[in-house]
Amino acid sequence: DAEITQSPRHKITETGRQVTLACHQTWNHNNMFWYRQDLGHGLRLIHYSYGVQDTNKGEVSDGYSVSRSNTEDLPLTLESAASSQTSVYFCASSRDLNYGYTFGSGTRLTVV
Amino acid sequence: AQKVTQAQTEISVVEKEDVTLDCVYETRDTTYYLFWYKQPPSGELVFLIRRNSFDEQNEISGRYSWNFQKSTSSFNFTITASQVVDSAVYFCALSGGSSNTGKLIFGQGTTLQVKP
Repeated sequence: DAEITQSPRHKITETGRQVTLACHQTWNHNNMFWYRQDLGHGLRLIHYSYGVQDTNKGEVSDGYSVSRSNTEDLPLTLESAASSQTSVYFCASSRDLNYGYTFGSGTRLTVV
Repeated sequence: AQKVTQAQTEISVVEKEDVTLDCVYETRDTTYYLFWYKQPPSGELVFLIRRNSFDEQNEISGRYSWNFQKSTSSFNFTITASQVVDSAVYFCALSGGSSNTGKLIFGQGTTLQVKP
C-alpha cells in the first residue's frame, strides 16, 4: 500500500546544530508540504513543492530549507536549530491541488 | 487573505451527547475548498471531509454531519451521540482561490473531550 513516512519520529538536538527531517511518500504525488504544529497556532506552512526541483516558501520558512531531487522525497533542513523550532513537524502530500492532504505521522523535534 | 477561525478551544461533553464544532472562514474567492481533519491522541492527522464552495448540501456520514453555509461563511461539524473514541483535536481548513496553490490554511483546532 502507498504511504507517507517521516523519520525520525522523535529527535532531540542542540541549539545551533543542523538537523534534517525526512519525508518519503510512495503515492507518486507531485505536491508535498511541510507544516509545523504548535499549541495556539494550529498548523503553519513551512515549505512546499509542486514537483522535482520546485520549492516554495510558506508563512514560517525562516530558518528552514527544503530540496526536491525526486518525486518521493522532500527533506526539511533546519540550518541552525533554535529553541523556537521545538515543535511537531508534519509532512503531507496531495494528488491534486485542493484535493486535500495525506499526512505523515509527524516528527517531534526538541531543541535544547 | 484567507483565514479560518475555530473559536472553541476546548469542548467537554459526556458520552452520547451531541456536539457541534464551529468553523468560520474568510476568503474573497468564489472557488475554494473546506476540510475537516481529526487528530486523535496518537497524533496522526486523519482526513474527514472535503467540500467545495459550489456544493452547499449538508453531508452525513454515520454519526458525523457537516453543515456548510456560505451566507455565514461557516462549515460546522456535528457529532451525534458522541463516544469516547471521538476525543481528539479537530481542525478545519481552507484552500483554493484564484491562486489555487493547494496550500491548506488551518484553524487553531478544537480539542474535544468525551467523558464516559
